[in-house]
Amino acid sequence: DTGVSQDPRHKITKRGQNVTFRCDPISEHNRLYWYRQTLGQGPEFLTYFQNEAQLEKSRLLSDRFSAERPKGSFSTLEIQRTEQGDSAMYLCASSSGRNEQFFGPGTRLTVL
Amino acid sequence: GQQLNQSPQSMFIQEGEDVSMNCTSSSIFNTWLWYKQDPGEGPVLLIALYKAGELTSNGRLTAQFGITRKDSFLNISASIPSDVGIYFCAGQLDQAGTALIFGKGTTLSVSS
Repeated sequence: DTGVSQDPRHKITKRGQNVTFRCDPISEHNRLYWYRQTLGQGPEFLTYFQNEAQLEKSRLLSDRFSAERPKGSFSTLEIQRTEQGDSAMYLCASSSGRNEQFFGPGTRLTVL
Repeated sequence: GQQLNQSPQSMFIQEGEDVSMNCTSSSIFNTWLWYKQDPGEGPVLLIALYKAGELTSNGRLTAQFGITRKDSFLNISASIPSDVGIYFCAGQLDQAGTALIFGKGTTLSVSS
């Protein structure tokens, strides 16, 4: 399978804990995006990498959120001190030179 | 922030019927994309549009980039049960490969 992969697919955590998600983009896609999706809504942009450089961050990305793409391949999204409002589907997408973004299956986070 | 108005919110149709949904915005977009999302999965790209007036087909799906660059529509002809899902429009303001702005989705139900 050469699509975007995400791990884990599901994560249940207690409020206050830290969580980390991983995204592996399509090979040779230099652009990688993180989105968040809550029930009944479309995905909302969080942050964007071109290669290893984080070029854009949404105001949704509070200081408890951090994303990295250290070698320009896979990326991680960490949420510190999780809150119940962080419960959502976290989606990763990748693209090459065109604007078509291909999404992974997502990580569903539930904060108890 | 930017918003896309997607309508209708939901549709209940009989197998074999044609379907039409659309998105409008107060902003001019350079790219329009249409995605389908199944429960618990990430959005799957259906059609990408890059030029005002462009009409593109993908099997039974046809989408158009509005002349004003502020709207787009998606048609599905001769619907089948596997068309069930949530359809999202997404627009991009900047061709440099940055954030997609999503509508809230159209939920399609097909009865056989």
